[in-house]
Amino acid sequence: DTGVSQDPRHKITKRGQNVTFRCDPISEHNRLYWYRQTLGQGPEFLTYFQNEAQLEKSRLLSDRFSAERPKGSFSTLEIQRTEQGDSAMYLCASSLPPRLAGINEQFFGPGTRLTVL
Amino acid sequence: AQRVTQPEKLLSVFKGAPVELKCNYSYSGSPELFWYVQYSRQRLQLLLRHISRESIKGFTADLNKGETSFHLKKPFAQEEDSAMYYCALSPYNFNKFYFGSGTKLNVKP
Repeated sequence: DTGVSQDPRHKITKRGQNVTFRCDPISEHNRLYWYRQTLGQGPEFLTYFQNEAQLEKSRLLSDRFSAERPKGSFSTLEIQRTEQGDSAMYLCASSLPPRLAGINEQFFGPGTRLTVL
Repeated sequence: AQRVTQPEKLLSVFKGAPVELKCNYSYSGSPELFWYVQYSRQRLQLLLRHISRESIKGFTADLNKGETSFHLKKPFAQEEDSAMYYCALSPYNFNKFYFGSGTKLNVKP
């Protein structure tokens, strides 16, 4: 499968624990995005990277959240001291810049479903 | 501020009936509008974009700048169209998306 992959697919944790998710984008894509999707809502933008640089962070991304993309390939999203309100689907997407790709399109991974007890 | 509104959480139609999924947006600049679809147990995928003015799987959507709408239409629904549909907006050529809350389309036999 040459699409975007995410690991783990499901994570159950207790409140106060730290969790880390991984995203592997499509290999030639230099842009990588994280979204959060809660029940009954569409995906909400969290942050994005171009290569290894984190170019934008949403106000939704509190101090407990940190994302990295150290070598411009895979990315990790860490949530510290998890709260029940963090329970959601965390989606990763990747793309080329529209001016290079010729179109404006993101390709999504299957998501990581986080449940905080 | 940008906003995408999908007023219907659930839309149920019979096979062969016309379908219209509503999407309204607010954005101060020149947006690109998209429809994404998520079939059961599959990942979110692009269905169509307004710039392409294309018909995908029989679906079309026309951008109405006056009404700030981008409704998705299909003249004859099929059972395999049952899925979650998300309308999304992106600043022109920028690649950052704002999604609506989604409409679940249920096509009954």
